[in-house]
Amino acid sequence: DAKTTQPPSMDCAEGRAANLPCNHSTISGNEYVYWYRQIHSQGPQYIIHGLKNNETNEMASLIITEDRKSSTLILPHATLRDTAVYYCIVRSGGTSYGKLTFGQGTILTVHP
Amino acid sequence: DGGITQSPKYLFRKEGQNVTLSCEQNLNHDAMYWYRQDPGQGLRLIYYSQIVNDFQKGDIAEGYSVSREKKESFPLTVTSAQKNPTAFYLCASSPLGQGLPEQFFGPGTRLTVL
Repeated sequence: DAKTTQPPSMDCAEGRAANLPCNHSTISGNEYVYWYRQIHSQGPQYIIHGLKNNETNEMASLIITEDRKSSTLILPHATLRDTAVYYCIVRSGGTSYGKLTFGQGTILTVHP
Repeated sequence: DGGITQSPKYLFRKEGQNVTLSCEQNLNHDAMYWYRQDPGQGLRLIYYSQIVNDFQKGDIAEGYSVSREKKESFPLTVTSAQKNPTAFYLCASSPLGQGLPEQFFGPGTRLTVL
């Protein structure tokens, strides 16, 4: 699975959009981009995933560049409860099971 | 409510003792996983299982053992052979055969070996 690079930390004001970048320059054609987050001392929570097209759900939006070498997770109106570690993961589409390779992620701090 | 339960939340053991961490899911998922997390680090895969009575080693299986006798249960034993067992242990599950389903995680067990 391709390696990802994320900034170690970011800040965001409550109510503003949080834009979390992720570089995955070695991504291959059948690899998906997944985002999870982990609130302190809890299990990770799935947020969203995509292959080529932009995706949106009730939690967030995922913007993937045309060359697929980078992506951005957008939390449109960040709240204090969105403070967490956010993990960008690239995963092969070749299997329907298998490990998620977590890097160190981005610590997002939402402040009042 | 459907979900994954791990018990206990905190566990203390003396060095040299084996300890078994519980993981139960009622989501009817075929696949189950065990991860380990050290402070400030991401998760690393210990073992995973796709079906009952079958499991595969992950990246850091040494010093650990698992069993999958029932679909809903995937206990992890941390043996005395594991050199640095103190960590946060996370269990996850996912369905199979539906593209790339996300994994659902339990609340974790924090193991401290004294």
